[in-house]
Amino acid sequence: QKEVEQDPGPLSVPEGAIVSLNCTYSNSAFQYFMWYRQYSRKGPELLMYTYSSGNKEDGRFTAQVDKSSKYISLFIRDSQPSDSATYLCAMRLGINTGTASKLTFGTGTRLQVTL
Amino acid sequence: EADIYQTPRYLVIGTGKKITLECSQTMGHDKMYWYQQDPGMELHLIHYSYGVNSTEKGDLSSESTVSRIRTEHFPLTLESARPSHTSQYLCASSAGQGTPLHFGNGTRLTVT
Repeated sequence: QKEVEQDPGPLSVPEGAIVSLNCTYSNSAFQYFMWYRQYSRKGPELLMYTYSSGNKEDGRFTAQVDKSSKYISLFIRDSQPSDSATYLCAMRLGINTGTASKLTFGTGTRLQVTL
Repeated sequence: EADIYQTPRYLVIGTGKKITLECSQTMGHDKMYWYQQDPGMELHLIHYSYGVNSTEKGDLSSESTVSRIRTEHFPLTLESARPSHTSQYLCASSAGQGTPLHFGNGTRLTVT
């Protein structure tokens, strides 16, 4: 069983829709949670970076972490065609562990926002 | 945008050839990483470095080797390329313990 599970999609939504992307994980020691966006033929770029449970908002993007359920989400409001990309969730252990900088990734969800 | 550069972007090469994938960053980051990414699969860490003259193997076994002679440079070498090495290789760096990773745009390697 993978440590991080993510629905690969593809997910197709009309412009202006609210998008919900999700990941579940099995390791309760994960403390830091990230969402990366990867356009075709590009490297992943960091979108959101959160610690522990709660919400974090940045413009049209909201990251949500529920550690009790081992579940994280990324919401995109008023989705645009430029949001079409693959979204990768990633997480890592606490800062005091020797492997704190190593990330465990989901497989990515491919999102297509249509006009 | 992160200042991390990978060359070449695309490489098609025959079996048995020696190749070096270049990665450079201008941010002065101590930590650098190589990930392998295949379609529909999660990124897997194959090598990392916490500073000059420090290199470690990652979670995914790889026949490649790396070196870290300078802070800004973290090349990956395959002594004898095989078709099983066909993949996308992503280089990343981070500033310190627990800080986010910044990725380059990758090298897509095809071994024929």
